Amino acid sequence: EAEVAQSPRYKITEKSQAVAFWCDPISGHATLYWYRQILGQGPELLVQFQDESVVDDSQLPKDRFSAERLKGVDSTLKIQPAELGDSAMYLCASRVLMGTEAFFGQGTRLTVV
Amino acid sequence: AQSVAQPEDQVNVAEGNPLTVKCTYSVSGNPYLFWYVQYPNRGLQFLLKYITGDNLVKGSYGFEAEFNKSQTSFHLKKPSALVSDSALYFCAVRDQAGTALIFGKGTTLSVSS
Repeated sequence: EAEVAQSPRYKITEKSQAVAFWCDPISGHATLYWYRQILGQGPELLVQFQDESVVDDSQLPKDRFSAERLKGVDSTLKIQPAELGDSAMYLCASRVLMGTEAFFGQGTRLTVV
Repeated sequence: AQSVAQPEDQVNVAEGNPLTVKCTYSVSGNPYLFWYVQYPNRGLQFLLKYITGDNLVKGSYGFEAEFNKSQTSFHLKKPSALVSDSALYFCAVRDQAGTALIFGKGTTLSVSS
């Protein structure tokens, strides 16, 4: 069964350092999302891509966060510099363009110390 | 603006008893509604969805949900709970325009033996 792949699964970084997360969506899924889930809360959208284009990045803290999906397939989310408040689970999800449900990867647990 | 409310932080049931996890929503137009389940340090797994048609939808692992348009609710149900159902459950909504999922804050289901 096809899955959304994310790496790394866990990341510990010091504040002010740069960190990057990678996501490979299910093959053929044009829509890709990055969500952030703070412990005890529901996931919140950071950015939505359709193919290589950003559809919604209104909630992305652009002073420190960036996201790209250069070839419309895999995607990278970067934080520079990381802050203590960035500690969270970062989830990637994808769906087919005209599909309904999104499928999630296992997530990357980020701890900023 | 779209929103989802899960009024209970935690639901406790005994194994073999029926369970209900509540969800209400607000969205412009006709909603797409979803339930996802999350186990510790894992991503979200899709359980079921309501798009159109029959108000009672069936999903994975014996779960079902009832869409009630007048009450703007989409409660998750299962006739007989299992200890293995213990997890964090999220209700989510989006409109038909392809926007991203909006999640509730989640409800922890605890099934005791």
